[in-house]
Amino acid sequence: EADIYQTPRYLVIGTGKKITLECSQTMGHDKMYWYQQDPGMELHLIHYSYGVNSTEKGDLSSESTVSRIRTEHFPLTLESARPSHTSQYLCASSGGRAPFLTEAFFGQGTRLTVV
Amino acid sequence: AQSVSQHNHHVILSEAASLELGCNYSYGGTVNLFWYVQYPGQHLQLLLKYFSGDPLVKGIKGFEAEFIKSKFSFNLRKPSVQWSDTAEYFCAARMDSSYKLIFGSGTRLLVRP
Repeated sequence: EADIYQTPRYLVIGTGKKITLECSQTMGHDKMYWYQQDPGMELHLIHYSYGVNSTEKGDLSSESTVSRIRTEHFPLTLESARPSHTSQYLCASSGGRAPFLTEAFFGQGTRLTVV
Repeated sequence: AQSVSQHNHHVILSEAASLELGCNYSYGGTVNLFWYVQYPGQHLQLLLKYFSGDPLVKGIKGFEAEFIKSKFSFNLRKPSVQWSDTAEYFCAARMDSSYKLIFGSGTRLLVRP
């Protein structure tokens, strides 16, 4: 069973509010990821991290920001939420070193609705 | 650009029917390939993975997939589906030892009892 946790599972918030989506993993993985998934659509990588103090933008442009101060924690922040941010946000982690990388393990996701 | 394509967006089958979901990737180098499943209300779970070796890989719940390098394909198969296989299936690829995992658009499978 994957040990990666996201909170909250569901969030409804007003426009302009600042929000932070939490993601923690207990597997000691150095690589962590945030994906955005709209209903019935593919997963788009929006942020990733190779380790502490390392963060990179993903393939899909996002107004969110991330930080990686501790190995196990990879929070995502929206400074001013807008309805266009309504989506599901999935956190994942993986370990190992090339060419022996592990698969990615996913959290339950946070379904965000901005009204 | 590196990409993963799943051509079947929605599939409807009756129980006991055979399943094959297509997945193609666009990259000529080394790839790691994955199939994930997302049951309603649950998180993404790994069904199976291919890193190297035998191109026919077996996963959980009776699923298997075949890596055909010449066709850039990694199709998922199951000889006899069950109602409980109703879910969304995602193909994913990690190319050339990159840490990034690229996903296809997913296939929504509905199995009628």
